[in-house]
Amino acid sequence: AQSVTQLDSQVPVFEEAPVELRCNYSSSVSVYLFWYVQYPNQGLQLLLKYLSGSTLVKGINGFEAEFNKSQTSFHLRKPSVHISDTAEYFCAVSGQGGSEKLVFGKGTKLTVNP
Amino acid sequence: ETGVTQSPTHLIKTRGQQVTLRCSSQSGHNTVSWYQQALGQGPQFIFQYYREEENGRGNFPPRFSGLQFPNYSSELNVNALELDDSALYLCASSFGAGMNTEAFFGQGTRLTVV
Repeated sequence: AQSVTQLDSQVPVFEEAPVELRCNYSSSVSVYLFWYVQYPNQGLQLLLKYLSGSTLVKGINGFEAEFNKSQTSFHLRKPSVHISDTAEYFCAVSGQGGSEKLVFGKGTKLTVNP
Repeated sequence: ETGVTQSPTHLIKTRGQQVTLRCSSQSGHNTVSWYQQALGQGPQFIFQYYREEENGRGNFPPRFSGLQFPNYSSELNVNALELDDSALYLCASSFGAGMNTEAFFGQGTRLTVV
């Protein structure tokens, strides 16, 4: 079984500042890792995913994340945020089998202030 | 636009009633997964349907049931509604049951039980 811990429930930042949203996971098997974004009254949109290979993953909207197996972390970063990045961000993990589900963290609310 | 559509977008039901939620998967996808997202929480896996068969189930009681049709659209049925069933219900479609292929989410159905 897998679990995800998002260490910050809310992160306020100013526009054009850098941001890091933290995610740690627990699993007894090899995993895939994901970051999703949810805007108000919307479904989930995939920002980026780690399946294998390079531990630095680049996604949409200028976001990137780094997989650190020894620290079981997958932190999301953006060097300069915009007002439009205000949203809820979810980290998720799944096993690598042929029949899997996504296990989500509780989410981090990112608020970008002018 | 992901191509995954859910209906209805909102509904209000009374405790004890039954409800059916619908999901049209993206063209070419054969797998639908359902998630429940309570207010302020991350989505939780309910079950997955792959080629019309249930292919994994989360920790939800039997009054949560589903179907997948030959065109791969899907229904989620909840009997004997309880107040705690109030949540956003999300469906995700993908090609294949593993998480190495991207799952596309619909915008969700907001269910309120009174």
